[in-house]
Amino acid sequence: AQRVTQPEKLLSVFKGAPVELKCNYSYSGSPELFWYVQYSRQRLQLLLRHISRESIKGFTADLNKGETSFHLKKPFAQEEDSAMYYCALSGLLGGTSYGKLTFGQGTILTVHP
Amino acid sequence: GAVVSQHPSRVICKSGTSVKIECRSLDFQATTMFWYRQFPKQSLMLMATSNEGSKATYEQGVEKDKFLINHASLTLSTLTVTSAHPEDSSFYICSARGRGLGTEAFFGQGTRLTVV
Repeated sequence: AQRVTQPEKLLSVFKGAPVELKCNYSYSGSPELFWYVQYSRQRLQLLLRHISRESIKGFTADLNKGETSFHLKKPFAQEEDSAMYYCALSGLLGGTSYGKLTFGQGTILTVHP
Repeated sequence: GAVVSQHPSRVICKSGTSVKIECRSLDFQATTMFWYRQFPKQSLMLMATSNEGSKATYEQGVEKDKFLINHASLTLSTLTVTSAHPEDSSFYICSARGRGLGTEAFFGQGTRLTVV
């Protein structure tokens, strides 16, 4: 079974402060981890995935297999980062993602001016 | 980018009736579509996975006779909630993966179903 846990439902920071959204997972196989973001009144969209090792909008996330974590970080939060963030997991088979996503509970990030 | 469109965005139906939700991939061929359900302030729960031309695979605990999924073409999947009851009221979201688009899943805007 696969499980994703985001321990914080709400996270508030001030503009310019560092932000870290926590994500832990449980999966017996080889996982592919994602962060999805949902801005107010918009659809869910992919923010980043661990396989591509990229930084999007200043956000980064490193897969730590020892700690089974995939925390999302940004050194200087901006007001426009305020949104709902979901961590998600998909199983990998032979390097190809199953595509079936298991989502965490989501974290609402609020960045105050 | 790849766009997935759901219709309707909101629907209200009477208890006992059936309601159909459409999910379309507008500019790509969706080889696999996923249907999720989201309760207020909760996460997305996968209901079923459908591949074009084959029967949907339902997650444990999801009644396949109640939530009928059809994926008849590479651009359209439908979810029909049959004999709807108030407890079926929820936010339903589809996503799709496309041929040649890697592993990313693209999401529709969701459909708010209210059963009265």
